[in-house]
Amino acid sequence: GIQVEQSPPDLILQEGANSTLRCNFSDSVNNLQWFHQNPWGQLINLFYIPSGTKQNGRLSATTVATERYSLLYISSSQTTDSGVYFCAVSSSNTGKLIFGQGTTLQVKP
Amino acid sequence: GAVVSQHPSRVICKSGTSVKIECRSLDFQATTMFWYRQFPKQSLMLMATSNEGSKATYEQGVEKDKFLINHASLTLSTLTVTSAHPEDSSFYICSAHGTSGGPRAKNIQYFGAGTRLSVL
Repeated sequence: GIQVEQSPPDLILQEGANSTLRCNFSDSVNNLQWFHQNPWGQLINLFYIPSGTKQNGRLSATTVATERYSLLYISSSQTTDSGVYFCAVSSSNTGKLIFGQGTTLQVKP
Repeated sequence: GAVVSQHPSRVICKSGTSVKIECRSLDFQATTMFWYRQFPKQSLMLMATSNEGSKATYEQGVEKDKFLINHASLTLSTLTVTSAHPEDSSFYICSAHGTSGGPRAKNIQYFGAGTRLSVL
């Protein structure tokens, strides 16, 4: 099956800093989503981005499907950005998502 | 607001009992829902695909007699953990995606808030 690798596994930032999270996948995908899991476990949809570039406030994402990777950019990080960021992909018609191992982000005040 | 509701949010039960978790799509019909399990400090692992009107499809290594899935309607799927044991303690999360022509995008999956199961 498709493999999803995220890097870095852990990231510590000072408030106000920028960061880039990476997601590599091993096969063509028809769905790629970025999530933020808050401390209570809720998965919050950040982006649906199987290809191209999108921006939402301080967050943006780019997926280069031909090279099988996606990047999530966080600018001017805030303490509320702390948590785990997951990339998940689907390569089948079933719609089921395969998750990467996540990047745990800690933003210090 | 939430588009997928999951209930209960937390349950504590004794070993040997069964626990039912509900997953509802609130403003769209979901012919397919998914059930995931997440252990502490780990990623989400897909357990099964719940199909309305037919049997669920289980991932390799997931015991179908242990984790009973019923997709009773276009907005409701349930996961029953039968004869729960301490090793079943985990965070269970459901998701659903929209359908063509519906109010929710077809390819985007929306997740419930999760159920934290603790088996004593």
